[in-house]
Amino acid sequence: QSALTQPASVSGSPGQSITISCTGTSSDVGGYNYVSWYQQHPGKAPKLMIYEVSNRPSGVSNRFSGSKSGNTASLTISGLQAEDEADYYCGSYSTSSTLRVFGPGTKVTVL
Amino acid sequence: VQLVQSGAEVKKPGESLKISCKGSGYSFTNFWIGWVRQMPGKGLEWMAIIYPGDSDTRYSPSFQGQVTISADKSITTAYLQWSSLKASDTAMYYCARIFAGTTSYFDYWGQGTLVTVSS
Repeated sequence: QSALTQPASVSGSPGQSITISCTGTSSDVGGYNYVSWYQQHPGKAPKLMIYEVSNRPSGVSNRFSGSKSGNTASLTISGLQAEDEADYYCGSYSTSSTLRVFGPGTKVTVL
Repeated sequence: VQLVQSGAEVKKPGESLKISCKGSGYSFTNFWIGWVRQMPGKGLEWMAIIYPGDSDTRYSPSFQGQVTISADKSITTAYLQWSSLKASDTAMYYCARIFAGTTSYFDYWGQGTLVTVSS
């Protein structure tokens, strides 16, 4: 059972924008700017998409953006494309005994 | 940066196993590296991390005592081992580098090692 919560699925049409939420507590998401997001296509390893709430690694499309308000972080994908169909996981540092946590994942479907 | 993991394994319950992750293209001793489990059809779970420079380790409470993480800095390789496998250890295991310190994110990932435990 994840300490973070994410919607099980989010869908959108090509060209639209979608937002995936990641809700935690003041011990993790809300307390620190150590939220990251990972994309995982079926049968592939996860890939870092956003780090420290809103930073994009080199090579990641600027259609991906991150933000945080209180205990909830968000990943927004704008101009949705077929290749964005994947599972997305949030992750965070945690001051609880777990040290770091992942969300349960959100399946993004491009209609 | 590259992390190359050992190949798929098929084991019986009660057997031991050690899987590996070889890092290259960066200073292996200066970055934490960890293991993440993904059970079939499920999400990501971090298991353990190690700092190869001094072998400092951290374990998720869920995996403490169940697995052992280690590293050999002379061959820039991290390991995850089990002394007695269970069917519930069947999963894909990823190694991943941590950018900076225990609080930071996983920036590079290995390709995964599939472990199947079945009688």
